[in-house]
Amino acid sequence: SQQGEEDPQALSIQEGENATMNCSYKTSINNLQWYRQNSGRGLVHLILIRSNEREKHSGRLRVTLDTSKKSSSLLITASRAADTASYFCATDTGNQFYFGTGTSLTVIP
Amino acid sequence: AAGVIQSPRHLIKEKRETATLKCYPIPRHDTVYWYQQGPGQDPQFLISFYEKMQSDKGSIPDRFSAQQFSDYHSELNMSSLELGDSALYFCASSLDTITGELFFGEGSRLTVL
Repeated sequence: SQQGEEDPQALSIQEGENATMNCSYKTSINNLQWYRQNSGRGLVHLILIRSNEREKHSGRLRVTLDTSKKSSSLLITASRAADTASYFCATDTGNQFYFGTGTSLTVIP
Repeated sequence: AAGVIQSPRHLIKEKRETATLKCYPIPRHDTVYWYQQGPGQDPQFLISFYEKMQSDKGSIPDRFSAQQFSDYHSELNMSSLELGDSALYFCASSLDTITGELFFGEGSRLTVL
């Protein structure tokens, strides 16, 4: 079964609001990465958090990792219409990278 | 900076035909991954190579094969194509499989008619 599950599956917010997406996984990981994908386009790496890290920031992105709960969250602050995309978490187990089901984010101008 | 290059970007084939996708990783990256993403689906891991040897295998059909060449580029060969093979095929490369990030190409869109 799939390593990563994300929720919500879809999220619609107003521009300027914050968006939070969650990812849960099943096995031990070396690191967890978040990717963004515009419709029909390639995957763009956003941020990587290692298994010994608990929180990481990059611009308007904030990622947390709770290895005891096997979960991670991605927070996008002050969202913009251009943030509209699908967001995937990917877990690195050392052998493979597994992608979650993705959260489709729509930011309404 | 050089990125992961995939070719062709678009490919249209008939059922039962054969298709070959190519991937050129970022220079000095030693690991290549192939993913398949169906419409509205998350990327599914197919196969990976480390230093030209197959390192891991995911949900890759027996009709598919792949290899990594001496110059580190990789090719994904798909035979007896089926309608369900229509998807975006992504290649990614990385340097450090323990702590490194994946760098993805733009993908090759295969349409099987």
